[in-house]
Amino acid sequence: RKEVEQDPGPFNVPEGATVAFNCTYSNSASQSFFWYRQDCRKEPKLLMSVYSSGNEDGRFTAQLNRASQYISLLIRDSKLSDSATYLCVVNKSGGYQKVTFGTGTKLQVIP
Amino acid sequence: DAMVIQNPRYQVTQFGKPVTLSCSQTLNHNVMYWYQQKSSQAPKLLFHYYDKDFNNEADTPDNFQSRRPNTSFCFLDIRSPGLGDAAMYLCATSRSLAGEETQYFGPGTRLLVL
Repeated sequence: RKEVEQDPGPFNVPEGATVAFNCTYSNSASQSFFWYRQDCRKEPKLLMSVYSSGNEDGRFTAQLNRASQYISLLIRDSKLSDSATYLCVVNKSGGYQKVTFGTGTKLQVIP
Repeated sequence: DAMVIQNPRYQVTQFGKPVTLSCSQTLNHNVMYWYQQKSSQAPKLLFHYYDKDFNNEADTPDNFQSRRPNTSFCFLDIRSPGLGDAAMYLCATSRSLAGEETQYFGPGTRLLVL
């Protein structure tokens, strides 16, 4: 089983739709979680950290479910500019930032 | 202002010909990372430096080496590139190794091996 798994998609959604992605992780010692956004042929950029209590940033909401070992990203009112690949990132703790990226979920927002 | 800079953005090399990719940062971060990302795959961590302390991932081939002469610069040396080494190489930095720290990525160098 991969350490971090994501549905590669693509998710094709119309503008204005709500879309959600999940990311599962296998290591229960994982401590920190992030969603990064990567545009085609560009570098990953931090979208948001994922906190235990869940967090929201505008149209984006991230949730963590430790019991089931997954994180989620919800995008409301999708914009064309949201089209990108969304990478789930999981860090193990212990003084060494052992970073594992998921392969990403591709989102295409259609006019 | 660019915070993590990678040069060149595109690099073409020949099979077996050594190549060096460079990364510099203006963030004064302690940690610098090198990742390899192939098409439709996740970025794969090759190694990182915490200050001058080098940490190699267990599955990073010996063909890949790194140097960090000072805080600002870090180099990736590929001693004998093979066709399978064609990829995007991403440099990233973070303030510390704490798990909650954000990593800041450079724009990447796309390597083509002929």
